[in-house]
Amino acid sequence: EVQLLESGGGLVKPGGSLRLSCGVSGFTFSSYGMHWVRQAPGKGLEWVSLVSSSSDYIYYADSVKGRFTVSRDNAKNSLYLQMNSLRVDDTAVYYCARERLTCGNINCPPGDWGQGTLVTVSS
Amino acid sequence: DIQMTQSPSSLSASVGDRVTITCQASQDISNYLNWYQQKPGKAPKLLIYDASYLQPGVPSRFSGSGSGTEFTFTISSLQPEDFATYYCQQYDNARVFTFGPGTKVDIK
Repeated sequence: EVQLLESGGGLVKPGGSLRLSCGVSGFTFSSYGMHWVRQAPGKGLEWVSLVSSSSDYIYYADSVKGRFTVSRDNAKNSLYLQMNSLRVDDTAVYYCARERLTCGNINCPPGDWGQGTLVTVSS
Repeated sequence: DIQMTQSPSSLSASVGDRVTITCQASQDISNYLNWYQQKPGKAPKLLIYDASYLQPGVPSRFSGSGSGTEFTFTISSLQPEDFATYYCQQYDNARVFTFGPGTKVDIK
């Protein structure tokens, strides 16, 4: 069974930093690209980042570019999101998601998702 | 940047109804369009990818169509478990995956 479990969320002050983790099981982690997607309270979904299976390419939404850094450790079956210079509008539930393995494009959309971890940025 | 719109933003329907949601892209995205379902407090679930392909395990009452800038998502006969919010998502350049604003489907 595919499982993704986010951790590391919590309360942080504006300008602070936080590192989220996503531990996975039930599939060969090193074969899949991984996404981060977030959802502010009561709002819609916002895609954040994609890292390829071997980390040779990484993409970010403009809203987080230069502040967030995604990484992965295939030996530890883990995905990370380092969030710096946090702002109040970064408050959201952050989901990690496994890329769908096949699709019609070079990279594929999020297929299987974790349950999310809440990040609250507030003074 | 490609912008996505959905209509309606919400709708009320009864069990057994046929429900249709449209999604429009601000420029041609070929068929690089996905549909997700999200229930309150839960993670989203991929239903349709590449505009019309059903994700394995998803009931056949769900379908998608369209290409270019206009897309349609249909539930042929609404079931009680289908009351949720539905999002379209484009990934034309496969470097940015933009979601639409969502359509909430609730009980009439």
